[in-house]
Amino acid sequence: EIVLTQSPATLSLSPGERATLSCGASQSLSSSYLAWYQQKPGLAPRLLIYYASTRATGIPDRFSGSGSGTDFTLTISRLEPEDFGVYFCQQYGSSPYTFGQGTKVEIK
Amino acid sequence: QVQLVQSGAEVKKPGASVKVSCKASGYTFTNYYMHWVRQAPGQGLEWMGVINPSGGSTRFTQRLQGRVAMTRDTSTSTVFMELSSLRSEDTAVYYCARGTYDILSWLEYWGQGTLVTVSS
Repeated sequence: EIVLTQSPATLSLSPGERATLSCGASQSLSSSYLAWYQQKPGLAPRLLIYYASTRATGIPDRFSGSGSGTDFTLTISRLEPEDFGVYFCQQYGSSPYTFGQGTKVEIK
Repeated sequence: QVQLVQSGAEVKKPGASVKVSCKASGYTFTNYYMHWVRQAPGQGLEWMGVINPSGGSTRFTQRLQGRVAMTRDTSTSTVFMELSSLRSEDTAVYYCARGTYDILSWLEYWGQGTLVTVSS
């Protein structure tokens, strides 16, 4: 089973600041089969990024993904108030399709 | 538009079984894999397994092997997830989520979630 480790656990930032979230995999991910999701309290997760760097439909371009192999990053260039929540990475190249434990982005 | 509508909340006793449904609309049901993901209160996301609505083949996480089953009804575009021998640790929100035409896929569309509470 591939283990995904996200860091930091919590990120305290102000609107307008840049957020950098990391996701490390215990094994190299083939074909960059990595996705990022945002979740807000009481709601289902929302897909942001797939194939490590491809934005999902309707996702603003302030969200960007990068990385390959075992190290991946989600960057939010300028935080908007609606961007606060918990972010999860997921690998879908090897069953079971595991998730990271999440990074909470909170208002400073 | 794609919609996944799940059945309502359930309360079960330890040792019982629960069956959660997920009705799909807005796309060709048999063309896309359907996944199930659960989230215990205050915890992260756990991928449970996937079903191919076309042929009915399934793949599950080893942790739940033997206790989980996934089926589908193509006449109503509905998938079902049944979890047996319930334990308190199975208390969670259960989500269905649509993948792509490939089993190796991200999850673009999600149901609203179904809370399953296991309590004596």
